[in-house]
Amino acid sequence: GAVVSQHPSRVICKSGTSVKIECRSLDFQATTMFWYRQFPKQSLMLMATSNEGSKATYEQGVEKDKFLINHASLTLSTLTVTSAHPEDSSFYICSARDRSGGNEKLFFGSGTQLSVL
Amino acid sequence: GENVEQHPSTLSVQEGDSAVIKCTYSDSASNYFPWYKQELGKRPQLIIDIRSNVGEKKDQRIAVTLNKTAKHFSLHITETQPEDSAVYFCAASSWTPLVFGKGTRLSVIA
Repeated sequence: GAVVSQHPSRVICKSGTSVKIECRSLDFQATTMFWYRQFPKQSLMLMATSNEGSKATYEQGVEKDKFLINHASLTLSTLTVTSAHPEDSSFYICSARDRSGGNEKLFFGSGTQLSVL
Repeated sequence: GENVEQHPSTLSVQEGDSAVIKCTYSDSASNYFPWYKQELGKRPQLIIDIRSNVGEKKDQRIAVTLNKTAKHFSLHITETQPEDSAVYFCAASSWTPLVFGKGTRLSVIA
């Protein structure tokens, strides 16, 4: 299947700092990428939809000024958690939509475990 | 918007037995139904998917069935093995982002 690369896999930061997470589609162009958040033993909750060349669409309750999303190219989307706080500690996973070949599929990055001290 | 319900939340089976996980969805426009397997600390992996123009799809020990009228779909795993132990998520979408069920923790007991 298609490959989606996500970095870093794990980050520990101090409260008040910002953290950037990168999501790359390695072998296909992804005009749309999605950012999910997953708390322990819970499901994946969609945070925002990232569209190449335009502003991201945020889900209700997600602060767009806190979770900055940039999708400047067809293969890269970034999520920046600004002024991180302990309650932002979570597993963040990106996914990219592959529409090539006539069948649409969604592939996930490996995830980023964020721990805010 | 779409709402996906998944049952059961936990499932334990003996090795070699079958496991069935069921999901219902609310949006009749949804036409894509993937299933993901997630091992602890790892990314969700697509294991099988089905589209609304198909009623059943099988891939070795894994099969998915879809009943559009009733708006439910199921994952069937036969001859379960310990390595099948993981959390399984169903999802549904049309041309919108996937909406996930809450997950089923499957434990296969050797």
